[in-house]
Amino acid sequence: GAVVSQHPSRVICKSGTSVKIECRSLDFQATTMFWYRQFPKQSLMLMATSNEGSKATYEQGVEKDKFLINHASLTLSTLTVTSAHPEDSSFYICSARVRGGAGNEQFFGPGTRLTVL
Amino acid sequence: GENVEQHPSTLSVQEGDSAVIKCTYSDSASNYFPWYKQELGKRPQLIIDIRSNVGEKKDQRIAVTLNKTAKHFSLHITETQPEDSAVYFCAASVGTDKLIFGTGTRLQVFP
Repeated sequence: GAVVSQHPSRVICKSGTSVKIECRSLDFQATTMFWYRQFPKQSLMLMATSNEGSKATYEQGVEKDKFLINHASLTLSTLTVTSAHPEDSSFYICSARVRGGAGNEQFFGPGTRLTVL
Repeated sequence: GENVEQHPSTLSVQEGDSAVIKCTYSDSASNYFPWYKQELGKRPQLIIDIRSNVGEKKDQRIAVTLNKTAKHFSLHITETQPEDSAVYFCAASVGTDKLIFGTGTRLQVFP
């Protein structure tokens, strides 16, 4: 149980285009999902916390107009990188917390590798 | 906000030896401390976690210790094997709040 999927797993796009990444909890409901970015040989940096039915909470330094987050249902959150540039190339990982769960554990998706040419 | 420091950044051990990775945190309200193993290009995998009401937890070859007073926690891997080679991250959170990750430790286990 507690499986999180991401789609696509890999995307290559031209500079200036927008890219949407989906994060789904497959066998549980998630009121809260998190979006992380990981550059090569670096740690996971939290970008934003996504709550179902409300606006996302962005971490300091993350542009909310560039990284659009929508958490439309209890099983789906999307991250849209708008007008992507080469510096946005990174590994994007989502995680989800079980709705009503007593624990603190977050379940991670497999990640999406974005390459902007 | 919370800040998590992790040491060492790289660690090389001989197969069968023990490995210890240490983390310190800044927010005394933090009460959940997970450890993740991440292989190249893969998702982080939870290997063990500890809550602030416990000082030590063990799962086979892996153990975690927590010193709340000093605000540090450590991962101990005994009888290391080549398949333990990966990047390990510690993290801390307050309740069900966001996780703040350490900078990571690249562990290499040589046969």
